[in-house]
Formats: sequence, structure tokens, C-alpha cells
Amino acid sequence: NAGVTQTPKFRILKIGQSMTLQCTQDMNHNYMYWYRQDPGMGLKLIYYSVGAGITDKGEVPNGYNVSRSTTEDFPLRLELAAPSQTSVYFCASSRRQSSYEQYFGPGTRLTVT
Amino acid sequence: AQSVAQPEDQVNVAEGNPLTVKCTYSVSGNPYLFWYVQYPNRGLQFLLKYITGDNLVKGSYGFEAEFNKSQTSFHLKKPSALVSDSALYFCAVRVSSGSARQLTFGSGTQLTVLP
Repeated sequence: NAGVTQTPKFRILKIGQSMTLQCTQDMNHNYMYWYRQDPGMGLKLIYYSVGAGITDKGEVPNGYNVSRSTTEDFPLRLELAAPSQTSVYFCASSRRQSSYEQYFGPGTRLTVT
Repeated sequence: AQSVAQPEDQVNVAEGNPLTVKCTYSVSGNPYLFWYVQYPNRGLQFLLKYITGDNLVKGSYGFEAEFNKSQTSFHLKKPSALVSDSALYFCAVRVSSGSARQLTFGSGTQLTVLP
């Protein structure tokens, strides 16, 4: 199993541009999550999904959108990128909500200038 | 608010010495607590969790954590540190938000094991 994969690994965006961060898991997990990691701030939950077709906001959803059309894929969309969105983005998945052993992808380092 | 705190940004320890990475929590009800580790340029990896039962929880790579309800702490420990243990460690707690349950992470502690 590849686990959780993310693309791209790095990206530089200009202010106002848009992009989609891709996330795919091959573990048949129902639960998927998007986090951002800022230096010294830990991880903040952006959006999560409890299954195909179901998504909900996390702690810091503004400026982002998600969709979940399949169990495997959970893309994160940035519209009108801003410097405040410069961060490292991690996708994660878990089999059950209650177990909370989450499996993380390698991350996408995004810079908005 | 339900949260975890990691009071130390940085912990340095000599190889072979015991290590402790501290975590305190604030939750209503019974806490579900977790430790994750992040190596450079990698995603987080699960180390161990406390749900209920024995206060000493054993996890991956020889790590263990001690749950202390009276002190609201969940410190990560290892009897003998290795240079390869050098990494960023995160404590996390399950929180409830509406119908969902999510993890809230601490700010992380950078562990450096000196040869």
C-alpha cells in the first residue's frame, strides 16, 4: 500500500492565483482530513470528511474548499491565494473516527508571494 | 476550551539518557490522548494513545507515556534515548465539535538527542 499520497510536494503561487492540492489514500479509510502546519503552531484542521459526499469545516476553513466524490480522493482547493496561506499542508486519513490513529501524507509546502 | 499544551519548545538529551517530553491537557470528560512524531520533511506518524485502562501506555520505537489524571498530564518517555529519536513530537487530544470528534494538536516539542 502506498498509504496517503499528496501532490505536489512544493508549489509557489502568486497572490490571487488558485490551485488544488491533491490527496489520495489506498487504505479504504472513510475519514479524511486536511491540516495546515505553521511554525511553532502545531497543526490546525482545515476541513474533514466522514465519507464520500460528506465534508465539514474544521478550525480554519476560510479561503479553502474541499470535495469528496470518492472514498480515495480528498482534494483541497485554494481560491484567490493570499500570503497568509503560506504553510505546509498535510492530508490524513483514519479508518474510524473513534480510533483516531491517523495516517499522514508527506505534505505539500506552499508559498504565496 | 479543550486543548493540550506542550510547555517546552525544545528538549535536549544525551544519547543513552532517559528522555521526557511533557504534555498537559484540558478536557471535559474522559480524555483520549495521543502522541505523534514528525521526522524532517515527513508527515506525522502515530506513536501511541491512551483511551482507558493502564496509566502506562507502550507504543512504537520503545516509547511509552504515563497518564496522570490528578496532574492532567500525559508525558512521553523513553528509558534510553537514541540519536535517531531526534524529531518533532506532538501531543494531541480528541475533542468533540457538534456531531464530530476531531484531534487538537499541541504546538510541538523539538527533541534533539546529542551523541
